[in-house]
Amino acid sequence: AQSVTQLGSHVSVSEGALVLLRCNYSSSVPPYLFWYVQYPNQGLQLLLKYTSAATLVKGINGFEAEFKKSETSFHLTKPSAHMSDAAEYFCAVISPLGGYQKVTFGTGTKLQVIP
Amino acid sequence: GAVVSQHPSWVICKSGTSVKIECRSLDFQATTMFWYRQFPKQSLMLMATSNEGSKATYEQGVEKDKFLINHASLTLSTLTVTSAHPEDSSFYICSGVGLRVQYFGPGTRLTVL
Repeated sequence: AQSVTQLGSHVSVSEGALVLLRCNYSSSVPPYLFWYVQYPNQGLQLLLKYTSAATLVKGINGFEAEFKKSETSFHLTKPSAHMSDAAEYFCAVISPLGGYQKVTFGTGTKLQVIP
Repeated sequence: GAVVSQHPSWVICKSGTSVKIECRSLDFQATTMFWYRQFPKQSLMLMATSNEGSKATYEQGVEKDKFLINHASLTLSTLTVTSAHPEDSSFYICSGVGLRVQYFGPGTRLTVL
């Protein structure tokens, strides 16, 4: 079984401040981990992914995440928030299952950026 | 990255009618596509897994006779909501698997009156 837990359904940061969105995972096999961003009334856009290569993963729009096996975490960070970063962010875990991949999503964290 | 399209992006229908949603992978072949439903302020819930040329696999609690899925080619999967009711109103999102990454469509907003 696999699962992800996102701590904090809402996070507010000031423009220019550090963004930290937390994600912890549970998986019985080495996981693949993803962060997706969703803007209102839109689908999901892949921000970054961890697939067992480098533990520090850089994504689009200045985001990065670090895979920490000892902490079973994959937190998303960005040094300086922009207004355009306001959106909902989903952490996801994937593991091979029966020949195809099944993704489990976290409940999402809504990021608010305050000017 | 890979592109997945959905059509229509927005549909309003009367209760009791059927609605078909198309999901296309535009620049890659997706042997596996997934259909999700997202209610307001909630996460995505997997409805079913669609494999090209075979029957879809539905998640527990999802009525296969109500949500008909067809994956006739490597680039097209369709979801038909049969005899739609207001409680079926939701945001439906499909995804296609390419190189072990899921690429998502832009979603279809279904409103059943």
